[in-house]
Amino acid sequence: SQQGEEDPQALSIQEGENATMNCSYKTSINNLQWYRQNSGRGLVHLILIRSNEREKHSGRLRVTLDTSKKSSSLLITASRAADTASYFCATDARTDKLIFGTGTRLQVFP
Amino acid sequence: DVKVTQSSRYLVKRTGEKVFLECVQDMDHENMFWYRQDPGLGLRLIYFSYDVKMKEKGDIPEGYSVSREKKERFSLILESASTNQTSMYLCASSPSVGAGFFGSGTQLSVL
Repeated sequence: SQQGEEDPQALSIQEGENATMNCSYKTSINNLQWYRQNSGRGLVHLILIRSNEREKHSGRLRVTLDTSKKSSSLLITASRAADTASYFCATDARTDKLIFGTGTRLQVFP
Repeated sequence: DVKVTQSSRYLVKRTGEKVFLECVQDMDHENMFWYRQDPGLGLRLIYFSYDVKMKEKGDIPEGYSVSREKKERFSLILESASTNQTSMYLCASSPSVGAGFFGSGTQLSVL
């Protein structure tokens, strides 16, 4: 069963705008991770946030985690056409297993 | 540079064939994973291994088996390939409670 579910399924924005993607999950976690996938390729790890953290930044990425609501959000600020990709959240359900959601397809228009 | 290498980028097999997908990592990671990815379904975990010779079923293990004889290598085996196993297969490795590193994927077509 899918542990994480991203929302929205697809998002289209103009360059320079911010993109926000959300992830909801079902069970308790040790950490939550966000990944990016360019079309037809493997996934690239973006950021990991531990269950005792509420917010984390990495460059133009900002991730928040609300364990009481079992949800996380990924914000990409000042988006670029090169940010066009699918974005996935993954949770570990307190094991080492990484379970992924269905992803958000982000399209950034120049 | 850390690496997860999948042996084939594209593979075409016939129904009923035995198929081996190989994955090698050079990071000394304990955990290795096999996923399949289908449009609209995201990544679904087939099998997971947390140590040599140790394995755990994921969400969709039916029709698949795995082998991990050495820490760096995790093989996915389709005992008798079927058309519904046509998919993108992704291998990943991770340290215990850490970021996952993915291979480039194998697009398998079963005819």
